[in-house]
Amino acid sequence: DGGITQSPKYLFRKEGQNVTLSCEQNLNHDAMYWYRQDPGQGLRLIYYSQIVNDFQKGDIAEGYSVSREKKESFPLTVTSAQKNPTAFYLCASSRAGLAGGTDTQYFGPGTRLTVL
Amino acid sequence: GQQLNQSPQSMFIQEGEDVSMNCTSSSIFNTWLWYKQDPGEGPVLLIALYKAGELTSNGRLTAQFGITRKDSFLNISASIPSDVGIYFCAGHPGANSKLTFGKGITLSVRP
Repeated sequence: DGGITQSPKYLFRKEGQNVTLSCEQNLNHDAMYWYRQDPGQGLRLIYYSQIVNDFQKGDIAEGYSVSREKKESFPLTVTSAQKNPTAFYLCASSRAGLAGGTDTQYFGPGTRLTVL
Repeated sequence: GQQLNQSPQSMFIQEGEDVSMNCTSSSIFNTWLWYKQDPGEGPVLLIALYKAGELTSNGRLTAQFGITRKDSFLNISASIPSDVGIYFCAGHPGANSKLTFGKGITLSVRP
């Protein structure tokens, strides 16, 4: 059953702690993305990766870090430097990266992070 | 940068009614995507459009890629309660550009 999985579904963190959100895909997609969603706002791009061992900052990368050591995995770390980390985080993937020009993205189920 | 406009922010319809929503931009897009998001879940791709003028259906849903390439429309016919959710449009300006998302329209269906 192909798709994108994110874990955990709900995550609670104390202020000052780093936390890592998992994203795995078995669609054999080259590109993967992390978005942040806040109530009443559209999706905002945090980081994206078009190929293994390469990634670029999106529009709101400050306070976040990523790695892309395997094609199927793109974990996101929310660091203590992120001032307002409570949000719904969505991972997505697409067959081709930005150079493909069509970039149909498929989303995971999301992780809701709450900072206590 | 490019922006996609979706309005109104919320729509309320009666079960059985048809509803139409659009997405507009001041710049040209090569791809239009429509997603639906249920509360607490990730967006699910409904329809993808790749060619100006293209009209594509998926069950009770029909979407069109505007001729000017600056807009797209989504129609839902004979609405049912499970149609409630947030409908996002997204557009791809072309090669080496990021996908742009609208802010979404929250649809409510009264039984």
